[in-house]
Amino acid sequence: GAVVSQHPSWVICKSGTSVKIECRSLDFQATTMFWYRQFPKQSLMLMATSNEGSKATYEQGVEKDKFLINHASLTLSTLTVTSAHPEDSSFYICSARDFLDNSGTRDTQYFGPGTRLTVL
Amino acid sequence: AQKITQTQPGMFVQEKEAVTLDCTYDTSDPSYGLFWYKQPSSGEMIFLIYQGSYDQQNATEGRYSLNFQKARKSANLVISASQLGDSAMYFCAMREGSGYSTLTFGKGTMLLVSP
Repeated sequence: GAVVSQHPSWVICKSGTSVKIECRSLDFQATTMFWYRQFPKQSLMLMATSNEGSKATYEQGVEKDKFLINHASLTLSTLTVTSAHPEDSSFYICSARDFLDNSGTRDTQYFGPGTRLTVL
Repeated sequence: AQKITQTQPGMFVQEKEAVTLDCTYDTSDPSYGLFWYKQPSSGEMIFLIYQGSYDQQNATEGRYSLNFQKARKSANLVISASQLGDSAMYFCAMREGSGYSTLTFGKGTMLLVSP
């Protein structure tokens, strides 16, 4: 099956610093990747859609200047949390879309293992 | 209105028994896809099963089957012969439209399998 990796798996940083999280599709090319945020005991909330070679599409309420997304290649998307604060502490999880056929009717998203960010 | 509703915050089942996790959805788009994901305590989201709105038969993947009732807008996940390793959070999700669209997740159901 399709494999997506994330790095780092966890990170602790001081308030005011920036943190970069990488999302890689290991055995397939992903023109589209997604970034989600999950608070404890809650569901996944989509933050943004990352398209290779173009600007990311952010969901309403997500600050694009705070959560910088770069999708520079077909296998790598990065999320940078700039000037992180304690309220940014969360579980960040990415997914990559893998079309099983050219029509994209299945359009399954495969998820990375997630990154737990703790901002002190 | 919520697009995906999972009414069971938690479910208990004994090992080797079957369990059904409920999911109802709301959409006016005739083309949509329904997904179930498993999230163990490690946090990773594991894809389990997919059902397309035009699929004639209920999807099955090993011990997982999806009880798709289109008229009732329900897509319940059935896990047969539960195993201890099935203990996890389970999320139902929907993609509206035919491809190139995002997923909307339900709030999830925590399943605990006891020996």
